[in-house]
Amino acid sequence: EDKVVQSPLSLVVHEGDTVTLNCSYEVTNFRSLLWYKQEKKAPTFLFMLTSSGIEKKSGRLSSILDKKELFSILNITATQTGDSAIYLCAAEPTYGNKLVFGAGTILRVKS
Amino acid sequence: GAGVSQTPSNKVTEKGKYVELRCDPISGHTALYWYRQSLGQGPEFLIYFQGTGAADDSGLPNDRFFAVRPEGSVSTLKIQRTERGDSAVYLCASSLRRGPVGTDTQYFGPGTRLTVL
Repeated sequence: EDKVVQSPLSLVVHEGDTVTLNCSYEVTNFRSLLWYKQEKKAPTFLFMLTSSGIEKKSGRLSSILDKKELFSILNITATQTGDSAIYLCAAEPTYGNKLVFGAGTILRVKS
Repeated sequence: GAGVSQTPSNKVTEKGKYVELRCDPISGHTALYWYRQSLGQGPEFLIYFQGTGAADDSGLPNDRFFAVRPEGSVSTLKIQRTERGDSAVYLCASSLRRGPVGTDTQYFGPGTRLTVL
């Protein structure tokens, strides 16, 4: 059965800290890995990763994929209170078109 | 439209009642997905439409759940004889996907929070 596991489950940091969120996956016929940020209800798209070792970056956020070890990390530098959210990781199989999500990491950034 | 929209944003119903949840995908997106998210969990896949047809309904939990997309745009998720365990946020997503190959990004709507009393 396809599975995605995220760690830690929750994290509390102070503004300015750097955080690393982890995602490991076991998916038959893996195609891509996606990161979403969820505030309130709608998950908003952050990154899609398909190739190992190529860092994707957007402002203070970056992410990388390791297809040999089957994991991805999401880094946030110089955290701000607006980064407080649930960060969801999802794996997309080659066939099936459905995303398999982890349970998420709850990040709280204190001012 | 600018993004995926869902109505209602909140729905409270009594056990045994019938509910319909609506999703309006991004204009031009051929693929539409329904997910269900329980408290403290990630979204779980329910059903995927490519155009008007349900290409994969393997995630529907039982025959009380049904979804349609008659004109290949708006979709309605229908739940009969609701149970307290159906309480969750129901998320809809859409994507440009034209076929089974190639990567594709799913964009989510704000969801409908369903509470069954």
